[in-house]
Amino acid sequence: DAKTTQPPSMDCAEGRAANLPCNHSTISGNEYVYWYRQIHSQGPQYIIHGLKNNETNEMASLIITEDRKSSTLILPHATLRDTAVYYCIVRTASSGNTPLVFGKGTRLSVIA
Amino acid sequence: EADIYQTPRYLVIGTGKKITLECSQTMGHDKMYWYQQDPGMELHLIHYSYGVNSTEKGDLSSESTVSRIRTEHFPLTLESARPSHTSQYLCASSVGNSPLHFGNGTRLTVT
Repeated sequence: DAKTTQPPSMDCAEGRAANLPCNHSTISGNEYVYWYRQIHSQGPQYIIHGLKNNETNEMASLIITEDRKSSTLILPHATLRDTAVYYCIVRTASSGNTPLVFGKGTRLSVIA
Repeated sequence: EADIYQTPRYLVIGTGKKITLECSQTMGHDKMYWYQQDPGMELHLIHYSYGVNSTEKGDLSSESTVSRIRTEHFPLTLESARPSHTSQYLCASSVGNSPLHFGNGTRLTVT
C-alpha cells in the first residue's frame, strides 16, 4: 500500500469548513483513499473512501486530485465534536487480506 | 452502527497476573484485529485473524497471544502482565474489503 503524508496538526474555527490534506504521490491505479478518525479514547471510526471521483456522505466530502497524488477531506461545518485525529490511508480494493496500517494522522482541533 | 464489544473497558491489575481481554462482534465478520495504542501515539497492529483457527502476528511484537475458536470471538491473553503492557488495546473487525469497525477499547494499567 502506498505511503501517505499528512500535517501533524490543524486548527479550525467552529462552524467553518475543515479541509484536511493528504499527499499520496506514489498511489497506484487500483488503490483507494480511505479516511478514518479517532476521537479521544475511542476506537477509530470510518469516514469515507474513494478511488478517483469525488465522494460525499453524511459525514464529509472527499476531493481527489485528477492525478490522484493528493486528496482533501472536507468537514463542511466543523463542530467541537469533530475534534479528533484524522487518518488518511491508501490501499487496494483487494487488500482485504492485508491488515490496515495507521500512520500518525492529523490532529484537528475545532475551536469555539 | 457496528456491533463490536470489548470488555472490560478499564482494567487495573498487578504485575504477574494473567489477564484476558475480550472482544466479540455480532456481525459475522470473518476478519478480526487487535491494535495497541499508547496515549497520544499511533495504533500498532499486534494480532489479526482471517477466520476460525487462523491467527497471525502483526507488525508490533507483542507478548500477548490470541485465539479464534469462534467467528464472533477474538480474545487476547497476557500470561504474566508487566508494567510495560500498560496501554490501550483496540479490537476491530471487517468482512471482505469493507471498512474496519472498532470497539471502544480496553485501557489496561499494570501496577
